[in-house]
Amino acid sequence: GAGVSQSPSNKVTEKGKDVELRCDPISGHTALYWYRQSLGQGLEFLIYFQGNSAPDKSGLPSDRFSAERTGGSVSTLTIQRTQQEDSAVYLCASSFKLLGTLAGTDTQYFGPGTRLTVL
Amino acid sequence: AQSVTQLGSHVSVSEGALVLLRCNYSSSVPPYLFWYVQYPNQGLQLLLKYTTGATLVKGINGFEAEFKKSETSFHLTKPSAHMSDAAEDVCAVRKQGTGFQKLVFGTGTRLLVSP
Repeated sequence: GAGVSQSPSNKVTEKGKDVELRCDPISGHTALYWYRQSLGQGLEFLIYFQGNSAPDKSGLPSDRFSAERTGGSVSTLTIQRTQQEDSAVYLCASSFKLLGTLAGTDTQYFGPGTRLTVL
Repeated sequence: AQSVTQLGSHVSVSEGALVLLRCNYSSSVPPYLFWYVQYPNQGLQLLLKYTTGATLVKGINGFEAEFKKSETSFHLTKPSAHMSDAAEDVCAVRKQGTGFQKLVFGTGTRLLVSP
């Protein structure tokens, strides 16, 4: 697998149910990011992982949202008690910072996204 | 706080015509600037980026963009549009600095190319 993969590609759920979205980053990429794109909006940052730790969770919209990353690889975004406003496309990205390059200049590689619909 | 404004949710051009997609940013310090493209049924991919050095940067598929600090702009151009350029183009900004800085995205511009 050369790219970032996400599953499922589509998820329809009922309001109040919990959902889990999965991201498999590019092998060797230490940084992993979650974003969401609601209808008519730009991509919104949710959370950033460096290795297994999440130094920046500032974008998580509520305590119903959580994410974890295990083994420095796969990440799961969990939304508890889903609401209709959670409907969006959830995108995952990964990157690798080369030694000697400036922080923030690394290229993020995006997965195809998970389209979540909450009825 | 940083922000990105992309004028025009849709831009239509004829094949062979100049492509100009506008991006203006707001940032308290000089930022890093990115253009991403999403072709139909594909994920977002980097088109080009400005970090340091030459302010005119060239990307894939003949696209280029120029960082103009005085205008706080990073407009995307291509001299001659091709049908395969039809896509969603998204401008993004990232603050320079130590530690993690998040990417802030614009709302995107859909480029439509007609024969």
